[in-house]
Amino acid sequence: DAMVIQNPRYQVTQFGKPVTLSCSQTLNHNVMYWYQQKSSQAPKLLFHYYDKDFNNEADTPDNFQSRRPNTSFCFLDIRSPGLGDAAMYLCATSSIPGTLGNQPQHFGDGTRLSIL
Amino acid sequence: AQKITQTQPGMFVQEKEAVTLDCTYDTSDPSYGLFWYKQPSSGEMIFLIYQGSYDQQNATEGRYSLNFQKARKSANLVISASQLGDSAMYFCAMRAFTGTASKLTFGTGTRLQVTL
Repeated sequence: DAMVIQNPRYQVTQFGKPVTLSCSQTLNHNVMYWYQQKSSQAPKLLFHYYDKDFNNEADTPDNFQSRRPNTSFCFLDIRSPGLGDAAMYLCATSSIPGTLGNQPQHFGDGTRLSIL
Repeated sequence: AQKITQTQPGMFVQEKEAVTLDCTYDTSDPSYGLFWYKQPSSGEMIFLIYQGSYDQQNATEGRYSLNFQKARKSANLVISASQLGDSAMYFCAMRAFTGTASKLTFGTGTRLQVTL
């Protein structure tokens, strides 16, 4: 089945130690997104790729970076994780909105990041 | 700027009963889309239903229907015949039609608990 896969499901890292989260998709969608979701809060968009074009949200900290080496894969790099970065990180994909624009974003299962 | 408001932090419903989850929105865009997502405790975001701003009829998908009242800027989700597996967090989200990548604005969510 076509899907969005995130690895790992759970990630523990040390304060200040770089960490990379991965996302892959078999939907062949042009757009890939990374969201941060803290406990009991709504998902917050960090950035997205439209093909190879990177689009950062204005309030995304510089500590967060992303790479998209090809259509299928996208990575979230946190250069120096702080305690406040502990959260669920959700990857999503979408096709370009067509005439009706009703294509939903398809989400992976998320990676729950803990900081020691 | 777009804004989604979900005023019910938590809701209880008995199994087999219907329940309505409220969502109001604010936007100056003439064209937009409204989505509902379900997030179980495991973390994945599951797309449920979509309503476009120009759709003449309310959307329905199985047990889910959307009560769309454009003049009141509301898009309430109705779940009929609730099941224990419906217990989850429910998010209302809005997308503006940008023509390229779609960006979702999420509400704060409603936690639904289905009881016996």
